[in-house]
Amino acid sequence: EIVLTQSPGTLSLSPGERATLSCRASQSVSSSYLAWYQQKPGQAPRLLIYGASSRATGIPDRFSGSGSGTDFTLTISRLEPEDFAVYYCQQYGSSSLFTFGPGTKVDIK
Amino acid sequence: QVQLQESGPGLVKPSQTLSLTCTVSGGSISSGDYYWSWIRQPPGKGLEWIGYIYYSGSTYYNPSLKSRVTISVDTSKNQFSLKLSSVTAADTAVYYCARVPIGGYCSGGSCYWFDPWGQGTLVTVSS
Repeated sequence: EIVLTQSPGTLSLSPGERATLSCRASQSVSSSYLAWYQQKPGQAPRLLIYGASSRATGIPDRFSGSGSGTDFTLTISRLEPEDFAVYYCQQYGSSSLFTFGPGTKVDIK
Repeated sequence: QVQLQESGPGLVKPSQTLSLTCTVSGGSISSGDYYWSWIRQPPGKGLEWIGYIYYSGSTYYNPSLKSRVTISVDTSKNQFSLKLSSVTAADTAVYYCARVPIGGYCSGGSCYWFDPWGQGTLVTVSS
């Protein structure tokens, strides 16, 4: 089973700042099968990025994804007030298993 | 626009079976381009994938839950369902259903993500 590790656990930033979130896999992941989600309190997760770097429908271009192999990054270029939330990475890999990372909380500094 | 909606009891007694249904609207569950999946989230914790089903009835489960999970599909009702047996307090969670693109999406370059999601339903295991 591929294990995803996200860092940092919490990121404290101010609106307008740049956020860089990391997702590291215990073994190589196909970029085609790496996604990122945003979750706000009391809401279901929302797909942000699929295929490591493709924005989902309706996602602002301040959100971008990059990476390959075992290291992937979600970048929010300029934080808006509505971006403060928890972010999860997710992969599909060997043995037809889906796994999620533990999440990174982006909160207001 | 496809929407998913979970339904089922919000309270289940320990050792009993948790049963939930996900109703799909705005699209057909019989589309060959998707899996239909269940995911759960214990209060204050992260996301755990439970399993998925294809419209034909083929399934795949998380090995950590496999012995207790059954996912089924009813194409005539455009629904799929989750049964989790022998529940304990550790199974208390918000349960989500979601759609997973496969097939043509994979041919197009990427697939195997969850979108859309249902709003989720909290199931508490308690006597």
